[in-house]
Amino acid sequence: ETGVTQSPTHLIKTRGQQVTLRCSSQSGHNTVSWYQQALGQGPQFIFQYYREEENGRGNFPPRFSGLQFPNYSSELNVNALELDDSALYLCASSPGLGTTYEQYFGPGTRLTVT
Amino acid sequence: AQTVTQSQPEMSVQEAETVTLSCTYDTSESNYYLFWYKQPPSRQMILVIRQEAYKQQNATENRFSVNFQKAAKSFSLKISDSQLGDTAMYFCALRDNNDMRFGAGTRLTVKP
Repeated sequence: ETGVTQSPTHLIKTRGQQVTLRCSSQSGHNTVSWYQQALGQGPQFIFQYYREEENGRGNFPPRFSGLQFPNYSSELNVNALELDDSALYLCASSPGLGTTYEQYFGPGTRLTVT
Repeated sequence: AQTVTQSQPEMSVQEAETVTLSCTYDTSESNYYLFWYKQPPSRQMILVIRQEAYKQQNATENRFSVNFQKAAKSFSLKISDSQLGDTAMYFCALRDNNDMRFGAGTRLTVKP
């Protein structure tokens, strides 16, 4: 069984640019959540996708957007990058919606904005 | 609103000894889950243990156990027989809806 994978592992972008991060969920999982983890802090919830629709969003501006595809993989897009967007971005998949389902995390993408 | 507080930024313990990491939380929900995650330098967030709020019995997973005090909204993690591989950041997390709120983490170092 393949776990959650994320790509790329790390990347460097310039302020004002746009970036797309990708996540492949674990086999059989239909729910993906994205988190931002700034250096020295705990992860913060960005949003969640369930069966290709956004289902819950944290306190992040609209320039953070996402997609979920029919195979349940997901993308996180960030427009107009700011220096504060530098962080580790984690995705987590789960086999269903709701608190009873455990989330399985990927290894993360380290984004640096200069 | 959900809040999760970890008041110990750093802790250390000698190999084979026991250490307890503290966590307090707040939620208005009656049904929720609490978690402890381990994040080693590899960055992969690994679930250590989970506790369902409606279960009074404290969860245990091998060397890891929790002390869940629902009325006090306290959820501490005890690691027995600490091993060098336990060195990592430990995050307490609360899930009472579709999102999950994490604490700021405790950096645990196990010394040989």
